[in-house]
This record gives sequence, structure tokens and C-alpha cells, in this order.
Amino acid sequence: DTAVSQTPKYLVTQMGNDKSIKCEQNLGHDTMYWYKQDSKKFLKIMFSYNNKELIINETVPNRFSPKSPDKAHLNLHINSLELGDSAVYFCASSQDTRPQETQYFGPGTRLLVL
Amino acid sequence: GQNIDQPTEMTATEGAIVQINCTYQTSGFNGLFWYQQHAGEAPTFLSYNVLDGLEEKGRFSSFLSRSKGYSYLLLKELQMKDSASYLCAVRDEDSNYQLIWGAGTKLIIKP
Repeated sequence: DTAVSQTPKYLVTQMGNDKSIKCEQNLGHDTMYWYKQDSKKFLKIMFSYNNKELIINETVPNRFSPKSPDKAHLNLHINSLELGDSAVYFCASSQDTRPQETQYFGPGTRLLVL
Repeated sequence: GQNIDQPTEMTATEGAIVQINCTYQTSGFNGLFWYQQHAGEAPTFLSYNVLDGLEEKGRFSSFLSRSKGYSYLLLKELQMKDSASYLCAVRDEDSNYQLIWGAGTKLIIKP
């Protein structure tokens, strides 16, 4: 059974389009995250939700909008895609927000904007 | 500010031992994680240190010195499957407890 799943795994699209990435976790965790991993391999936090409430919202263009319909799902919608949005986007989850809690990552969505 | 430094790439021989270092500067240190990431895959958890000292887990051990802002990951009896990137991440309480990630060290294992 997949713990944290994301769809799609690959996404190739044109500049200016709107796209969504979906994430689901079946671990019963309270906290979920979206990360962006660029070509230099840095993982940067974008958003974090705890019990469907937004708790971390880093300096991300407002073209990116997360939505958490329930604790098990955190989706990411991106409007007006730009070339610089090309990256791997990882969803992750943790039991809760305690500092020692491990984050479990989904397989990633490879986004290429042409 | 926050900064995490790791070597970009290391090479080691199958069966040997390798130590991957990580130095950090954060204002509100609250734990350090090591993750393994194989090419094209997701990061997976290896270890967590919050107190000074060595944590051993099978072939992998992780060390922390908070006063020096320093950690290392020690991999023993290297296997070809250990070829991967190793990411150091620090929990920073002054950044809403989010994880601050290093760029990772790409480890290449040769026969």
C-alpha cells in the first residue's frame, strides 16, 4: 500500500496553462506539506497544513494555491504556469507538527513548462 | 540567517566506510534529520538527532554536536545500492519549526 501518493507523476504543459497536482496519504497523519525541488536539488517548503488548516505559507507566488479538502488530501493548483515553475514537486506528511516527527514523502511530480 | 552546507559529491568503494559531513547555522536549532534520496525518487528518512552524540542504526550512524553546528552521517560496509544523495535538514524553531534543507551530497559507490 502506498503511504503518500501523488498524481500525476509527470506533467508537461505550455506556459500560461493552469494545472493541478493531487496528493493523498493513508497514514492517518495530521500534517501535510508541499515542497519544490529545483535543478540544484534544494528542497524548499511551499506550504504546510495541519488538520486542514494552513500553518506555513512561504514566499510563493499567489499563482500557487493549495487546497486541503480533508486531512488525507492536499492538492496544489498552479495558475498561469511559467518556465521557472519547472521542478519536481513533492508532497509529504507527518504525524503532527512536533519537531521530532519524521516527514514521509510522495514519489514526486515532475513538472516541465515549455 | 539560515545556512546548511554539505559536500556536493563524494566517491567511495564498495565495502568501505564513508563519512558525510553537514554544518549548519540556524537561530533556533531544534533537531537534525538525514534523508536518503535515490535518483528520481522521493527522500526517505534515515536518522534524527536532537541531543549531542552518536545514534547508531545498523550500517548507518549519525552524530551531532550542537555547539559546533555540525553533524555527520557514517555509512559502513558500503553497498552499491547506497549510491544516492544524502540530505541534511535542520528543524528551525524560529522559522515556524519548518525543515531547512541542504542541497544534498551525491555519493557514488565504485566496485
